[in-house]
Amino acid sequence: DAGITQSPRHKVTETGTPVTLRCHQTENHRYMYWYRQDPGHGLRLIHYSYGVKDTDKGEVSDGYSVSRSKTEDFLLTLESATSSQTSVYFCAISDRDRRYGYTFGSGTRLTVV
Amino acid sequence: SQQGEEDPQALSIQEGENATMNCSYKTSINNLQWYRQNSGRGLVHLILIRSNEREKHSGRLRVTLDTSKKSSSLLITASRAADTASYFCATDEGSNFGNEKLTFGTGTRLTIIP
Repeated sequence: DAGITQSPRHKVTETGTPVTLRCHQTENHRYMYWYRQDPGHGLRLIHYSYGVKDTDKGEVSDGYSVSRSKTEDFLLTLESATSSQTSVYFCAISDRDRRYGYTFGSGTRLTVV
Repeated sequence: SQQGEEDPQALSIQEGENATMNCSYKTSINNLQWYRQNSGRGLVHLILIRSNEREKHSGRLRVTLDTSKKSSSLLITASRAADTASYFCATDEGSNFGNEKLTFGTGTRLTIIP
């Protein structure tokens, strides 16, 4: 999607290893979000950021941490990956005025084996 | 927990027919949004309706919002094969001064039969 990229697109990792997913935006939007999408659950918010170094937890934050040292980058880290964290992860951005909804990245499909 | 619940979970219609999806939510909202997701892709924002609005149009899309019933509907008129996708409603419960985040429903899977 224009203005927002996620990397990697696919990753397979072993249980117990740390994993970092990256979200990069070129829109200079204030808000950034990490969601996970699982069958039967829709999208659930993991963490979000409302500015550089300003982050907060979502509804499914256990086992995840985030960092935002620059406006354009929002990193999601699985501290010690578990099979329950196998999912598709989406990053999204939103402008301050919240007039136009979110712009989503293309997603990262993470498999923990 | 899910704020929005879509109904039905799945819908199949013939091309050219209209498709209606409903969303119910639980708490007061700032706005409600609808998104489309094609298989294997990210979500695409379709339309946003604010809590003080009752109806909004965008091309073949019509969204209504009834805050007294805490419900919304999305109507797609004259459906096309390309409309086959999952559709999600999302509610923004935040104030105008921050705490902005969306809560998504579980989606309606729409299939358009050519």
